[in-house]
Amino acid sequence: TQLLEQSPQFLSIQEGENLTVYCNSSSVFSSLQWYRQEPGEGPVLLVTVVTGGEVKKLKRLTFQFGDARKDSSLHITAAQPGDTGLYLCAGARGGGSNYKLTFGKGTLLTVNP
Amino acid sequence: EAGVAQSPRYKIIEKRQSVAFWCNPISGHATLYWYQQILGQGPKLLIQFQNNGVVDDSQLPKDRFSAERLKGVDSTLKIQPAKLEDSAVYLCATRGSLRGSPRSPDTQYFGPGTRLTVL
Repeated sequence: TQLLEQSPQFLSIQEGENLTVYCNSSSVFSSLQWYRQEPGEGPVLLVTVVTGGEVKKLKRLTFQFGDARKDSSLHITAAQPGDTGLYLCAGARGGGSNYKLTFGKGTLLTVNP
Repeated sequence: EAGVAQSPRYKIIEKRQSVAFWCNPISGHATLYWYQQILGQGPKLLIQFQNNGVVDDSQLPKDRFSAERLKGVDSTLKIQPAKLEDSAVYLCATRGSLRGSPRSPDTQYFGPGTRLTVL
């Protein structure tokens, strides 16, 4: 079983602070995705990283894929209350009709005003 | 364009009762997934359909869970009989392209989920 470990599990910070969330695995995935899930809603895709060492930016969010394609990080600069939510990483494997995702347990982020 | 629709949004039942969830995918998306998300955990894949055929149901507890996708569009997930440990959010997701979106056709789009409480 390919497992994804996320840390920290919970994070509560003040508005304006920076934070980093980590996603680690002992296995290699073809790509890694980050989702944000708000209460009462399904996860929404933020970004997909495919190449080892890849860095992608989405406004104040920076995503990095490890060189060995086994780990990833999400860094948020100057967090805002609207960033509050459950951040999930998911590793992709298979292709075509066999494409499927394995999710980590998530990091529950609370940004206090 | 409409997203993935699920109903009901909430369901409370007693153990040993039966329950069914319904999912209407994004038009044209051939691949459909059902996930179970227990509180404090990430989604866990239960079953994957390609059109109306099952691709992977290895993690579906087949003694009590069943799912179908007749005609390759809408899907239903049933639990019979329910146990306390089935309390969770059941998410439906479909995979494919979305008109006007730059996202990859491998992107999964999730519905809002059905929150099941088994008492």
